[in-house]
Amino acid sequence: DTAVSQTPKYLVTQMGNDKSIKCEQNLGHDTMYWYKQDSKKFLKIMFSYNNKELIINETVPNRFSPKSPDKAHLNLHINSLELGDSAVYFCASSQSPTGNTEAFFGQGTRLTVV
Amino acid sequence: AQSVTQLGSHVSVSEGALVLLRCNYSSSVPPYLFWYVQYPNQGLQLLLKYTSAATLVKGINGFEAEFKKSETSFHLTKPSAHMSDAAEYFCANNAGNMLTFGGGTRLMVKP
Repeated sequence: DTAVSQTPKYLVTQMGNDKSIKCEQNLGHDTMYWYKQDSKKFLKIMFSYNNKELIINETVPNRFSPKSPDKAHLNLHINSLELGDSAVYFCASSQSPTGNTEAFFGQGTRLTVV
Repeated sequence: AQSVTQLGSHVSVSEGALVLLRCNYSSSVPPYLFWYVQYPNQGLQLLLKYTSAATLVKGINGFEAEFKKSETSFHLTKPSAHMSDAAEYFCANNAGNMLTFGGGTRLMVKP
């Protein structure tokens, strides 16, 4: 039973389209995240939600909008996709956002914008 | 501001040799340090974490890391590399409600 699951695993789409990536965790965690991994494997936080409230919103274009309908889900919607959005997007969850709390990661969604 | 630096984007060792992956951090508050491993086309998996209970931390798959405050380091080691250890390794610090990652080190293991 997968702890953090993302769908789809692969997403190929044209520039200008709007797409969503879904994330669900069954660990009972309060905190969920979206990370972006670029082609050089660099990982950067995009958003963090704690108890459905946005607590971190890094410098991310407004075209990216996270939505957390409940504590177990954090979806990412992207409008007007651009070539530079091509990357692997990881969802993660943890019991709390602070300290030495381990984060559990999904398998990633490889987004390719053509 | 917090930052994590991994020295060496690629490290190559022979099977059976010592593995040493370097991580240095910069943090204005006490760090909470982690090592994660990423196998091809996979998500990140926790190897170990520093909890302040002990400076030498043992993790899964025979890996361990030593926290040295004076050197602001948290290097990852394994006495004997196995082919299955070939992967990308990330050091991270949680000092502000989120994990800040280093740039990653690709470990290659030669037969």
